Amino acid sequence: NAGVTQTPKFRILKIGQSMTLQCTQDMNHNYMYWYRQDPGMGLKLIYYSVGAGITDKGEVPNGYNVSRSTTEDFPLRLELAAPSQTSVYFCASSTGGGRAEAFFGQGTRLTVV
Amino acid sequence: EDKVVQSPLSLVVHEGDTVTLNCSYEVTNFRSLLWYKQEKKAPTFLFMLTSSGIEKKSGRLSSILDKKELFSILNITATQTGDSAIYLCAVLNTNAGKSTFGDGTTLTVKP
Repeated sequence: NAGVTQTPKFRILKIGQSMTLQCTQDMNHNYMYWYRQDPGMGLKLIYYSVGAGITDKGEVPNGYNVSRSTTEDFPLRLELAAPSQTSVYFCASSTGGGRAEAFFGQGTRLTVV
Repeated sequence: EDKVVQSPLSLVVHEGDTVTLNCSYEVTNFRSLLWYKQEKKAPTFLFMLTSSGIEKKSGRLSSILDKKELFSILNITATQTGDSAIYLCAVLNTNAGKSTFGDGTTLTVKP
């Protein structure tokens, strides 16, 4: 049972570099989310998608971009990495509808130096 | 702006103790409140609450929602070291893409 799969698990970037965090789910969920979690904090919503071709900003979208070309995949792009983007990133999916739990990937620990 | 506040931020207890974790919220168009447990990695789902006064229970864990006073509690009885984790509260509004999380309560259970 794969569920939500994120890659890579760890990454170190230099300031100004770019990268894409990959996320794929095999549960046929329409809703997908990207969160970041800073130490001692809860999860902050970066972007979300309610279906293929539809994305929208969350609380903290600046410095990130997403796309959703298929139901399964929801990659997160970081352009011009900054130290403030050092965090743990979680991808999640759900059936949506406001009354459905989210299933999370195992996270990507990103350090920007 | 939607807001979720959890208390306490951290808690240290001994095995066998009972703990109560709190979650208060201010959310437009409330649909549901969810509790998650986060150990080393990804959060895992515990409970979803949508109606006031109805207790959800799973083993030693239970939770209840008060939609009038806008809060929820998570109780853990007879705590074990395996209960040590961050407990996250999240609220969903009618726009199902918008979930707001609290900062979590870090529970440490000592032997």
